Amino acid sequence: DTAVSQTPKYLVTQMGNDKSIKCEQNLGHDTMYWYKQDSKKFLKIMFSYNNKELIINETVPNRFSPKSPDKAHLNLHINSLELGDSAVYFCASSQVVLAGPLNEQFFGPGTRLTVL
Amino acid sequence: TQLLEQSPQFLSIQEGENLTVYCNSSSVFSSLQWYRQEPGEGPVLLVTVVTGGEVKKLKRLTFQFGDARKDSSLHITAAQPGDTGLYLCAGPFSKTYKYIFGTGTRLKVLA
Repeated sequence: DTAVSQTPKYLVTQMGNDKSIKCEQNLGHDTMYWYKQDSKKFLKIMFSYNNKELIINETVPNRFSPKSPDKAHLNLHINSLELGDSAVYFCASSQVVLAGPLNEQFFGPGTRLTVL
Repeated sequence: TQLLEQSPQFLSIQEGENLTVYCNSSSVFSSLQWYRQEPGEGPVLLVTVVTGGEVKKLKRLTFQFGDARKDSSLHITAAQPGDTGLYLCAGPFSKTYKYIFGTGTRLKVLA
């Protein structure tokens, strides 16, 4: 069984469209994250939810809206897509909420978003 | 601003060679983690180092945390093609929920 799964794996769309990426974890973790990895492979936190509550909201355009319907799911909706949104988006989960030595994050396989 | 700079950025070596990857910061971290990311996959945690000066070994991989807890290194002995991937260090922002990831080292081991 896949621990953290994301759909779709690839997403190609036109500028201006709205799209969603879904994430599910079956690890029983309370904390989930969205990261963006750019073309230089730099990985940056976007959002984090703990028990369906938003706890991290980095400087991300408000075109990006996360939604956590339950502890096992964290979806990312993006409105009015722009060329600069092209990247790989990773979902992750962890058992521990505080960043520190006990926090191991389990990442999904990523969603490669290409905006044309 | 806490930053984690990794070097080298790219590394291409022959199978059987040894290599060292560095992760440096001007800030003190309470712990540092190393992840490996294979092409088309998400990062996977390799190790967490907590104590200054700590050395941890994972088969052919040796991880060290600097005495001042500002830097870490990853040494691979007798590299194999299966070691190919992106190596990322990561450290927690003090007393927060989030991690900062390093700039990454892309390793390619040629057979």
